[in-house]
Amino acid sequence: DAKTTQPNSMESNEEEPVHLPCNHSTISGTDYIHWYRQLPSQGPEYVIHGLTSNVNNRMASLAIAEDRKSSTLILHRATLRDAAVYYCILNPNNAGNMLTFGGGTRLMVKP
Amino acid sequence: DTGVSQNPRHKITKRGQNVTFRCDPISEHNRLYWYRQTLGQGPEFLTYFQNEAQLEKSRLLSDRFSAERPKGSFSTLEIQRTEQGDSAMYLCASSPLATSLVRETQYFGPGTRLLVL
Repeated sequence: DAKTTQPNSMESNEEEPVHLPCNHSTISGTDYIHWYRQLPSQGPEYVIHGLTSNVNNRMASLAIAEDRKSSTLILHRATLRDAAVYYCILNPNNAGNMLTFGGGTRLMVKP
Repeated sequence: DTGVSQNPRHKITKRGQNVTFRCDPISEHNRLYWYRQTLGQGPEFLTYFQNEAQLEKSRLLSDRFSAERPKGSFSTLEIQRTEQGDSAMYLCASSPLATSLVRETQYFGPGTRLLVL
């Protein structure tokens, strides 16, 4: 399985933008990049996904490098409720396969 | 849409006992997944069903573990002869079959936290 690398933790101030990086240098052409997050004491929840182009939705933006070997999840204005573990996952063919989670990045948001 | 529900939310058992967890997926979701998560780690895939058929099982799923989805709706995960190493959060997720209009996103339940003493 293609692997992703993320920093263990990051800190942000409330209402400031947050850029969460993910490296996936062994990504294959059909791997979609998915982001999930896990709030304390909850199951993971979907955030966003993309293949080649940058993507925006109501939760976040996803910026994908031109060579697709890295991506960045952007939270435009962090709130205290965004404190969570963020997982970057490669999903082959965007199919309904199992998700392979790594360790993720624990985001701490300071008031 | 009430989301994925899991019962019980917490379970404490003694080593050697059997336990069973239930997952009720979002209605009309064809796919159902089980994952296990230990403290400080990301979830690990255990198995998944498409309707009532169990299509894939991880090597983590030892012969003490069995999962069923008898009518393609709810699912149960049973652990026989529990060991202390089975202590973890057991997560269930469901997803629809992807179409041009529907994204195949996994929706997770809140999990069942198991503690084996």
